[in-house]
Amino acid sequence: DVKVTQSSRYLVKRTGEKVFLECVQDMDHENMFWYRQDPGLGLRLIYFSYDVKMKEKGDIPEGYSVSREKKERFSLILESASTNQTSMYLCASSFGQFLEAFFGQGTRLTVV
Amino acid sequence: GENVEQHPSTLSVQEGDSAVIKCTYSDSASNYFPWYKQELGKGPQLIIDIRSNVGEKKDQRIAVTLNKTAKHFSLHITETQPEDSAVYFCAASLKGGSYIPTFGRGTSLIVHP
Repeated sequence: DVKVTQSSRYLVKRTGEKVFLECVQDMDHENMFWYRQDPGLGLRLIYFSYDVKMKEKGDIPEGYSVSREKKERFSLILESASTNQTSMYLCASSFGQFLEAFFGQGTRLTVV
Repeated sequence: GENVEQHPSTLSVQEGDSAVIKCTYSDSASNYFPWYKQELGKGPQLIIDIRSNVGEKKDQRIAVTLNKTAKHFSLHITETQPEDSAVYFCAASLKGGSYIPTFGRGTSLIVHP
């Protein structure tokens, strides 16, 4: 089975901190994604990556950056966390031209 | 870009009833329409999908229909069970480009025993 693993289920960080959310997939998928999930807003794409060292902005990239140094790992970085970044963050991966996306279990981030 | 509208936002049914969730999309080039189920505390998981060359697809109690002319697709769950309670997301993928899916806002389905 495909497995997408996010490093933390819950995180609490202080305003202004630099925050790293890590995601690892074990199926050699080319595509990896970071989504943010908020009640009533669904899943909004932050960044995605087609290949190592490649990244593209999604719909809401402001305040975020990403890193993909290895094919299996895609990191989301909050350069200076703010309270409006309190949310559920979901990582996903897929193979080739997008078919099924496999999601991690999510990281619930609280910024205080 | 693509825009996906999903209704209703909340759906409450009695066990054994049917549930229908509807989505519309804006870009006629979209050709892949997956549905995801998200149970409490978990990430979304694909439950069924349909491509633009097919009008209907079934998998046991779940079916999806697609009307390309009207640009809408629907998820049908028959004989609902309490374990069907979850948030359901529809999505549409744009053809010939990034293939990045655009998701609807989700439907919270509650099945009462």
